[in-house]
Amino acid sequence: GAGVSQTPSNKVTEKGKYVELRCDPISGHTALYWYRQSLGQGPEFLIYFQGTGAADDSGLPNDRFFAVRPEGSVSTLKIQRTERGDSAVYLCASSSLGADTQYFGPGTRLTVL
Amino acid sequence: AQSVAQPEDQVNVAEGNPLTVKCTYSVSGNPYLFWYVQYPNRGLQFLLKYITGDNLVKGSYGFEAEFNKSQTSFHLKKPSALVSDSALYFCAANTPLVFGKGTRLSVIA
Repeated sequence: GAGVSQTPSNKVTEKGKYVELRCDPISGHTALYWYRQSLGQGPEFLIYFQGTGAADDSGLPNDRFFAVRPEGSVSTLKIQRTERGDSAVYLCASSSLGADTQYFGPGTRLTVL
Repeated sequence: AQSVAQPEDQVNVAEGNPLTVKCTYSVSGNPYLFWYVQYPNRGLQFLLKYITGDNLVKGSYGFEAEFNKSQTSFHLKKPSALVSDSALYFCAANTPLVFGKGTRLSVIA
């Protein structure tokens, strides 16, 4: 079956611009996670959805970052007023209800010039 | 704070030899532990997990890991390494996942 998909695969933007990153989870998975992976580091947790609601957004670094999942499937991570330090690979993962294994998408590489 | 440590940035092993990639953890309560592998320009692929039960866990591609509660370790092992095992390996704990910084495994023919 289809895995987690993320679009775009690469995004280059200028400092101060707004970007949206999209994640399409595995069909039927109720939990969706966003992580950020900086060069040479392990992924770091950003936000977790269970259904439509954000169950844990403690990893969002500041209020420039926001994510939505309005219908409990596709999620969009939104970054306002991008900064060069936001450059990273943004990973999305999903898991089924009650399951502990997360399955990851290929990521979106964001470069802020 | 919860943390996962992978003390080796790089592990080199000859093809056919056994390999070990080390991981230690510091989490509250009973840990959920995972290993993921990342190939270039690919997402993280799940290898195996420990939740409860037998301390020796077997996973994909011949990998296994041993949970050691007294040493708070969860080392990844494989009896005979392949060149195709060369990749970046991440240990992680709990949910949401807390990751180590990764260990690059290089298997030399």
